[in-house]
Amino acid sequence: RKEVEQDPGPFNVPEGATVAFNCTYSNSASQSFFWYRQDCRKEPKLLMSVYSSGNEDGRFTAQLNRASQYISLLIRDSKLSDSATYLCVVRPLTGGFKTIFGAGTRLFVKA
Amino acid sequence: NAGVTQTPKFQVLKTGQSMTLQCAQDMNHEYMSWYRQDPGMGLRLIHYSVGAGITDQGEVPNGYNVSRSTTEDFPLRLLSAAPSQTSVYFCASSKGAQNTGELFFGEGSRLTVL
Repeated sequence: RKEVEQDPGPFNVPEGATVAFNCTYSNSASQSFFWYRQDCRKEPKLLMSVYSSGNEDGRFTAQLNRASQYISLLIRDSKLSDSATYLCVVRPLTGGFKTIFGAGTRLFVKA
Repeated sequence: NAGVTQTPKFQVLKTGQSMTLQCAQDMNHEYMSWYRQDPGMGLRLIHYSVGAGITDQGEVPNGYNVSRSTTEDFPLRLLSAAPSQTSVYFCASSKGAQNTGELFFGEGSRLTVL
């Protein structure tokens, strides 16, 4: 089993739709969680950190469920510019270099 | 502010050739790392460094060497290229030796080994 698993998609949604991605992780020692965004043939960039209490940044909401070992990303009012691959990233308490990346979920937002 | 700069952006090699991917950052970050990204897989850590003169292996180090003579530079050397090393390579850096914050990536280097 992969340490971090994501549905590869693609998710095809119309503009204005709400879409949610989940990411499951297997290491219960994981302590830090992030969502990165990667545009086609570009480098990953940090979208947002995921806090235990959940957090929101504009149209984006991230949630953490430690009991079930998953994190989620909700995108409201999707824009064409949201089309990208979203990478789930987890980091255990034991070592900062042991950052584990999921393979990503592809999102296409259509007009 | 240049951030993390990688060169070259594209490279084609023949099996057995050697080459060096260059990575430089101008943010005075202590932590630097090299990842490879293959279709259907997450980024995998090749080597990392927590400061000048200190390097260590990541998840997939075989066939690669690194050095860190300065804070700014972290080159990745392919010793004898193999087709299995065809991939996209990303250099990333983070403030602080423990890599607890945001990772900043270079634009990537696309390598094809024939």
